[in-house]
Amino acid sequence: GQQVQQSPASLVLQEGENAELQCNFSSTATRLQWFYQRPGGSLVSLLSNPSGTKHTGRLTSTTVTKERRGSLHISSSQITDSGTYLCQGGSAKLIFGEGTKLTVSS
Amino acid sequence: GPKVLQIPSHQIIDMGQMVTLNCDPVSNHLYFYWYKQILGQQMEFLVNFYNGKVMEKSKLFKDQFSVERPDGSYFTLKIQPTALEDSAVYFCASSLEHHSGNTLYFGEGSRLIVV
Repeated sequence: GQQVQQSPASLVLQEGENAELQCNFSSTATRLQWFYQRPGGSLVSLLSNPSGTKHTGRLTSTTVTKERRGSLHISSSQITDSGTYLCQGGSAKLIFGEGTKLTVSS
Repeated sequence: GPKVLQIPSHQIIDMGQMVTLNCDPVSNHLYFYWYKQILGQQMEFLVNFYNGKVMEKSKLFKDQFSVERPDGSYFTLKIQPTALEDSAVYFCASSLEHHSGNTLYFGEGSRLIVV
């Protein structure tokens, strides 16, 4: 069945650096959405982007549908960006990746 | 923004008993989903539901699980009987469309502890 691979598993940055998170699908995906999972477990939707490029604030999502991959770029990272970022997508079943744990330090 | 409400937020239940988790999706949404997340582990797809029917389900959606949305009210996940391995946070989500750029909205989760 569909699998979603996220990389890197963890990322440590200095405040102000940019982050690039990757998401790869094992088969065609008709939707892709990025989430931030709070320490308590609840999900914050960041961007829903099945193809092309979308921006919101310091976040840019780029999805290349035919290559079955997507990325989330976080510019000028801040300490408050620290946490787990999840990629979710697929076609029939919408599957989550294992996440990228981002740590931003001063 | 749009909100998905889940009730209860927490429940402790004896193994073998029945539990019903309730989800109040975004009002005009048509597609509904349940996910399961064991503490510290990956979010796992359980089932999606449209027009009164299960569209897709995973291997985790055991025979003891059922979903329904009677008369457009709550979208429910019922587990009968519960087992210890059902302890997890269950997240409900809803969306206007399935194959699109529409946002999938998630509830805050229902934490189930089976003892």
